[in-house]
Amino acid sequence: AQKITQTQPGMFVQEKEAVTLDCTYDTSDPSYGLFWYKQPSSGEMIFLIYQGSYDQQNATEGRYSLNFQKARKSANLVISASQLGDSAMYFCAMREGPNFGNEKLTFGTGTRLTIIP
Amino acid sequence: SAVISQKPSRDICQRGTSLTIQCQVDSQVTMMFWYRQQPGQSLTLIATANQGSEATYESGFVIDKFPISRPNLTFSTLTVSNMSPEDSSIYLCSAQRGSQETQYFGPGTRLLVL
Repeated sequence: AQKITQTQPGMFVQEKEAVTLDCTYDTSDPSYGLFWYKQPSSGEMIFLIYQGSYDQQNATEGRYSLNFQKARKSANLVISASQLGDSAMYFCAMREGPNFGNEKLTFGTGTRLTIIP
Repeated sequence: SAVISQKPSRDICQRGTSLTIQCQVDSQVTMMFWYRQQPGQSLTLIATANQGSEATYESGFVIDKFPISRPNLTFSTLTVSNMSPEDSSIYLCSAQRGSQETQYFGPGTRLLVL
């Protein structure tokens, strides 16, 4: 079974609108972390936001927020007031553990977001 | 956060040859990782490289094909050996300072094998 599922291969959003990118996960480990990364066409992976499984509040970082619904095993990324520079691939990832020395990330298939002027 | 650089940024290689990719971190980190991203695909972990121990390879990746070195706490190399066109990918190095911390990525190495 897929550990991370991103069901939106592509999205088109008007500039200045808010956008929600979906991510669901599957794990039996009570301790885990969820990450979102942005990959522009240049190829680098840019860390956006992190949510720990025991965090009581949803994570926020500037225009990015994470809508964490633990019972539904979802961790959707919300981008407010989208900008042209937000056009990129977005990956949701999970780390199970702690598992010191081997804390690998498992990635979803990604969502390609295109912002329309 | 950690600043990570990779060399080369891109290369075009002939089949049957080998390429060594270098990854340098601006501060000491406990864990380093190597990922492969095939064209249009997501990231797949090749191996975890911890200083002072042998790299831990994921299923489907073997040391003979992807030897890894981790000589100190700021540097690692990945060699892609006996390359074929199927090895054409972006290879990304990442680093994590300590347990449960955020993993940061280098800019990637774009490899094309002809």
